[in-house]
Amino acid sequence: AQKVTQAQTEISVVEKEDVTLDCVYETRDTTYYLFWYKQPPSGELVFLIRRNSFDEQNEISGRYSWNFQKSTSSFNFTITASQVVDSAVYFCALSDRGSTLGRLYFGRGTQLTVWP
Amino acid sequence: DAGVTQSPTHLIKTRGQQVTLRCSPKSGHDTVSWYQQALGQGPQFIFQYYEEEERQRGNFPDRFSGHQFPNYSSELNVNALLLGDSALYLCASSRLAGIYEQYFGPGTRLTVT
Repeated sequence: AQKVTQAQTEISVVEKEDVTLDCVYETRDTTYYLFWYKQPPSGELVFLIRRNSFDEQNEISGRYSWNFQKSTSSFNFTITASQVVDSAVYFCALSDRGSTLGRLYFGRGTQLTVWP
Repeated sequence: DAGVTQSPTHLIKTRGQQVTLRCSPKSGHDTVSWYQQALGQGPQFIFQYYEEEERQRGNFPDRFSGHQFPNYSSELNVNALLLGDSALYLCASSRLAGIYEQYFGPGTRLTVT
């Protein structure tokens, strides 16, 4: 069965602090995709990143970085030097070969609040 | 380039009524998925349409049905509304889903009273 766990329900930090959002996933497939989405108060889910299971190379995009570790089934997301505009709910999601045509399984999300 | 659009933005219905939500995919996308997001929860997959057919379905009752049109736009219909159907309904579009990332619309907030 597919499952995504985001154990951190809420995180609060002060601007310029670094923050890491945890994501642990479960799947029996060897081919799968992992995603992070951002959901600001407006409600629209904003795509941040997609990684496939064969690419464990960490990725950096500006202040965002992602650490993918198959050994621990984790796909953690770090925001460096956080800003107030980073305040949102962040979702980790999984899509595997068992879910043909890309059904996404989401975690429950982590509410990040960045204080000025 | 227009992104995914959904209508209406908000909707209030009474228990037992029927509702239709609409979604237009991003230009160049041919697959539409629908998700239900209850307050404080992650989105839950309802179903997915590709080539005008329902290809996958999540754990939702038959009261939830849909359609995809030749221009790839889609509708979500919910019959016999229950209070528990109150949620944000999100539409996602993609190209050959399962290979490429899905882009979400702003959602329709449905309130059932």
